[in-house]
Amino acid sequence: QQQVKQSPQSLIVQKGGISIINCAYENTAFDYFPWYQQFPGKGPALLIAIRPDVSEKKEGRFTISFNKSAKQFSLHIMDSQPGDSATYFCAASIKNTDKLIFGTGTRLQVFP
Amino acid sequence: DVKVTQSSRYLVKRTGEKVFLECVQDMDHENMFWYRQDPGLGLRLIYFSYDVKMKEKGDIPEGYSVSREKKERFSLILESASTNQTSMYLCASRTWSNQPQHFGDGTRLSIL
Repeated sequence: QQQVKQSPQSLIVQKGGISIINCAYENTAFDYFPWYQQFPGKGPALLIAIRPDVSEKKEGRFTISFNKSAKQFSLHIMDSQPGDSATYFCAASIKNTDKLIFGTGTRLQVFP
Repeated sequence: DVKVTQSSRYLVKRTGEKVFLECVQDMDHENMFWYRQDPGLGLRLIYFSYDVKMKEKGDIPEGYSVSREKKERFSLILESASTNQTSMYLCASRTWSNQPQHFGDGTRLSIL
């Protein structure tokens, strides 16, 4: 119930392509869904976040798509660049709680 | 910019030692967190603190304790280090629920 399942574990994309990372959850009380980006040797940093009252949020080349009925959300990276190579974590939290539940991470490699 | 500083990037300790990991944030954040990050498991919450001298267990608190005597500092303590506590430890802070967590760059701890 508290898990967030993330796939794939690793992803290789050519420069200019679209990277897609998927997450699924069971707990319908989750109401905040952030994505974190982590570069080697650094801590994770918030990339983009969405709440379940919208189906999509876009910030530059990064888009979250949210499907409330399917209890799934995904990160799309358009025009992927080598500088996007990093590990991406989805997460979820219940309203007004202090805990974020993280997915297991996706290692993205973008080749020129 | 928010700064979360972890005192050591790398630490090597011996089995049975008492180990202290220190974390300091400079943004007057109420909430602070300790996670461990392991390949294929994502980030797992060990302990968090929503205010000075307040603490709550996370998902994997066994073998750990914490201390928060001042608002800006949150310490993780391994009471008697064991080899299965070899991991990357991440500290984070934030203002309040559903606000972004800001992470330090981690401490890679090896227990021999």
